[in-house]
Amino acid sequence: QVQLQESGPGLVKPSETLSLTCTVSGGSVNSGSNYWTWIRQPPGKGLEWIGYIYYSGSTNYNPSLKSRVTISADTSKNQFSLTLSSVTAADTAVYYCARGGGMSRPSDWGQGTLVSVSS
Amino acid sequence: QSALTQPASVSGSPGQSISISCTGTSSDVGGYEHVSWFQQHPGKAPKLMIYDVSNRPSGVSNRFSGSKSGYTASLTISRLQAEDEATYYCNSYTSGFTLVFGGGTKLTVL
Repeated sequence: QVQLQESGPGLVKPSETLSLTCTVSGGSVNSGSNYWTWIRQPPGKGLEWIGYIYYSGSTNYNPSLKSRVTISADTSKNQFSLTLSSVTAADTAVYYCARGGGMSRPSDWGQGTLVSVSS
Repeated sequence: QSALTQPASVSGSPGQSISISCTGTSSDVGGYEHVSWFQQHPGKAPKLMIYDVSNRPSGVSNRFSGSKSGYTASLTISRLQAEDEATYYCNSYTSGFTLVFGGGTKLTVL
């Protein structure tokens, strides 16, 4: 089974850029027809799909975040990353990375990491 | 894209069956067979319970089943157990090649 672990700063200042990395073990980010996905959950609220990078390197993003989001992969480190620019308090959330064999079915999840946006 | 509509809460007694609905539009739930359901316990990552409307991943109890009619998908949990108490989320592929989640339904086992 694939294991995923998010890492990155737990606190980001407003207007700055949030950067998170997901380290993958038990699988490869550039093989297997996998969707490597970021999903977030504001405290006490529901899940929001951020986007994915497909094993081939193609990406797709939530239209509401598209102008601020980039998802990329580093195959040498078997990691994929999320950057979200110009953050505000509304971006405070637990951020999950996940893997799925289909776009709508992430089956392996990281434990999640809380990122707070505050000065 | 608008979130899919789920009831905020449902409840049932041990041994009973409950269903949770997930309503969308022709651009998401009604247009594709790519609806998934997730179970989330407090403080934990979501767990995939159903994918592609009615398929169960390996290891998920057969007490969990999914279906779809028109613009509404449903998750049914039979023979309710205390451990089923959690929040459940649906999602669907959309015509914009994106993914949208429902707002979540808190299941209380009485």
